[in-house]
Amino acid sequence: KNEVEQSPQNLTAQEGEFITINCSYSVGISALHWLQQHPGGGIVSLFMLSSGKKKHGRLIATINIQEKHSSLHITASHPRDSAVYICAVKKGDTDKLIFGTGTRLQVFP
Amino acid sequence: ETGVTQSPTHLIKTRGQQVTLRCSSQSGHNTVSWYQQALGQGPQFIFQYYREEENGRGNFPPRFSGLQFPNYSSELNVNALELDDSALYLCASTLPGLSLNEQFFGPGTRLTVL
Repeated sequence: KNEVEQSPQNLTAQEGEFITINCSYSVGISALHWLQQHPGGGIVSLFMLSSGKKKHGRLIATINIQEKHSSLHITASHPRDSAVYICAVKKGDTDKLIFGTGTRLQVFP
Repeated sequence: ETGVTQSPTHLIKTRGQQVTLRCSSQSGHNTVSWYQQALGQGPQFIFQYYREEENGRGNFPPRFSGLQFPNYSSELNVNALELDDSALYLCASTLPGLSLNEQFFGPGTRLTVL
């Protein structure tokens, strides 16, 4: 079993829909990252959080440390949000990241 | 724009050859991590360098090695290439001094081994 699991693996949505991507992990962590990867490979860090909730524009990330679960929400989705969204956790005091396999999101106009 | 660059962007090698991939971090980023991402998978941690010393390693054989230089650049070297080494190789650097060190990713080098 992977230490970081994401769901769903693939997601399609119509423009304007509210989207939720889930991440569960089984190890002790010091931080959790949500990353966005566009075709071609480049990875952009969206959020890094260790508790509570963070919001940036139409993106909201939440984490529940007790339940070892995080969610990434996209409000009013847009075709440019189409990408792979990856959850990654930082174990302990290291900078080593353990990645989920990603959720491929496609938003259609 | 993360300020982290990688070269080359694409590379084709044949089995048994050796390859060197390069990463250039922002000034002051003294920690660099390398990851391998196979097609359709999440990245896997290869190793990390801190102040020019290896500071942690994932499940990769010794033919994967690295170097970090004082000018915040680093290299990933892979010897005796195998077909399964075909992947996107990502480097990520960290700005020290923060309690939760955010990692800045480069665009990656896509390696194809034939």
